[in-house]
Amino acid sequence: QLQLQESGPGLVKPSETLSLTCTVSGGSISSSSYYWGWIRQPPGKGLEWIGSIYYSGSTYYNPSLKSRVTISVDTSKNQFSLKLSSVTAADTAVYYCARHEGGSDYWGQGTLVTVSS
Amino acid sequence: QPVLTQSSSASASLGSSVKLTCTLSSGHSSYIIAWHQQQPGKAPRYLMKLEGSGSYNKGSGVPDRFSGSSSGADRYLTISNLQSEDEADYYCETWDSSWVFGGGTKLTVL
Repeated sequence: QLQLQESGPGLVKPSETLSLTCTVSGGSISSSSYYWGWIRQPPGKGLEWIGSIYYSGSTYYNPSLKSRVTISVDTSKNQFSLKLSSVTAADTAVYYCARHEGGSDYWGQGTLVTVSS
Repeated sequence: QPVLTQSSSASASLGSSVKLTCTLSSGHSSYIIAWHQQQPGKAPRYLMKLEGSGSYNKGSGVPDRFSGSSSGADRYLTISNLQSEDEADYYCETWDSSWVFGGGTKLTVL
């Protein structure tokens, strides 16, 4: 059974860079059939796609976040990562990683990241 | 880029059926969507992929009570024999060179 697990700091200071990693187990991130993505959910609000990556490294980003987002992949570790720079309180959210087989068919459990000094 | 529109809330009685709607924006009526369920405090759960033809493929372990259908730009999720655990937020999602979520429908089981 495929599993995804987010990891990273739960607290980030304003203006700093948020960094998260998603570890994939039970399957290979190098499969040609899938993209791998990051999605976030501010408290009490809906889901917002951040960006996605193919195992080759090609990326797609949400235009509203593109200037601050970098997503990378490490196939040797079966992981992909998110960096979001210059964070503000508006970036406080639960961050999910997911596999895209078209839609997002497997999700991590999510990790809450709070932006506060 | 497509836009997905969902009603903010819906309610139905225990044991009854409910039909939730997700509407694709103009020019995107043929798009495939996915439906997700998010119970309080949990991660979203993939329910199904739904085509414009009305054909759908459910995720592993999704009960038979959940079904999908389509009409034009509208994509529907029908839940039959509502159970208390069906009280949740339901999101639709679509994709081309980006991924888009609808605003979600909060379903209350009375």
